[in-house]
Amino acid sequence: QVQLVQSGAEVKKPGASVQVSCKASGYTFTGYYLHWVRQAPGQGLEWMGRINPNSGDTNYAQKFQDRVTMTRDTSISTVYMEVSRLRSDDTAVYYCTRGRPVSDAFDFWGQGTMVTVSS
Amino acid sequence: DIQMTQSPSSLSASVGDRVTITCRASQSISNYLNWYQQKPGKAPKLLIYAASSLQSGVPSRFGGSGSGTDFTLTISSLQPEDFATYYCQQSYSTPQTFGQGTKLEIK
Repeated sequence: QVQLVQSGAEVKKPGASVQVSCKASGYTFTGYYLHWVRQAPGQGLEWMGRINPNSGDTNYAQKFQDRVTMTRDTSISTVYMEVSRLRSDDTAVYYCTRGRPVSDAFDFWGQGTMVTVSS
Repeated sequence: DIQMTQSPSSLSASVGDRVTITCRASQSISNYLNWYQQKPGKAPKLLIYAASSLQSGVPSRFGGSGSGTDFTLTISSLQPEDFATYYCQQSYSTPQTFGQGTKLEIK
């Protein structure tokens, strides 16, 4: 069965960086885009960007363009997202999610990783 | 960026009711519209993709329609487990964007 398993919760200080991992299993890792979506406490869903695990190509939302880096390691079917220069408003649950072919709807989701940014 | 506007933002309904949530895109997105359900503390769950296709395992009381800029999610007969927050999302172009959500509460 398809699973996306994310790394655990993080607490960081403003200005630091955080890396969240997402390990995929149960399907061909290189066959589907993986996306990152975040949700601040009590707020809605926000798309951050995506990575093509086959080529490593990425697309980022403009607001994250200079602070987010998405990478992958095909040998262990894992994608990573790093957010640098953290601010308090980056406090959120970060989800990785798989895009369906053609529609690119998000059909499987990781369990979420809570990142808290606090001095 | 394409803006997605959902209405209503919140809704009170009873078990057995028929409920409709609407989503409007700021420009045409063809049928690249998806619907998700989210319960507190959980990841979103895909219900409907490509405007009207039911995701595997989702009960048939959920239905979607629309194309272009106007879309609807209908729940034909509310069940207790359906009380949650619902989001629409466009996957027509990046950045993919979500509606602000509709919180469905028990009346």
